Amino acid sequence: EPEVTQTPSHQVTQMGQEVILRCVPISNHLYFYWYRQILGQKVEFLVSFYNNEISEKSEIFDDQFSVERPDGSNFTLKIRSTKLEDSAMYFCASRGALAAVGNEQFFGPGTRLTVL
Amino acid sequence: AQSVTQPDIHITVSEGASLELRCNYSYGATPYLFWYVQSPGQGLQLLLKYFSGDTLVQGIKGFEAEFKRSQSSFNLRKPSVHWSDAAEYFCAVGAGTGANNLFFGTGTRLTVIP
Repeated sequence: EPEVTQTPSHQVTQMGQEVILRCVPISNHLYFYWYRQILGQKVEFLVSFYNNEISEKSEIFDDQFSVERPDGSNFTLKIRSTKLEDSAMYFCASRGALAAVGNEQFFGPGTRLTVL
Repeated sequence: AQSVTQPDIHITVSEGASLELRCNYSYGATPYLFWYVQSPGQGLQLLLKYFSGDTLVQGIKGFEAEFKRSQSSFNLRKPSVHWSDAAEYFCAVGAGTGANNLFFGTGTRLTVIP
């Protein structure tokens, strides 16, 4: 069964460093998402991506964040200069080609980012 | 603005007992509602969703949920819980373009005791 994969499973970095979180969505999917979950808090929408551009983004997704689909298979989230408050679990999700409302999003297992 | 409230942080039930997880939402338009489950080390898996029509929706793993507009609720139920149901459960409302941006509640952790 196809699945969304994410690497690494756990990333530890120093404050101020750049990190890139990687996701491989399901191969025929066209819509991609990043969410994050700070420990003990709710899962929060960050950004949606379609046709090589951002469709929508939340207030959390400021200039420190960027997304890219560099090679047609990977979908990355970059944080330019990490802050302590960026420590969270980051989930990637993808959705199929149909544009129907509320098509199921398939989630990856997440990358736990720890900023020291 | 949309929001989801899951009032129960942690619920413990005995195996074989019935289960109800509560979810209340706030959304200005017709809501698109989802329940996801997260097992340890796993991603979020869709259990069921509601868009329109029959207010009682059936999902995978024997779960069902009932949409009650008057109460702004979308509670998840299962008549007989199995030990493998122990996980974190998230209610979400879809918003944005095509209701595809999900806004989640804080989750309810379910513990199942033998």
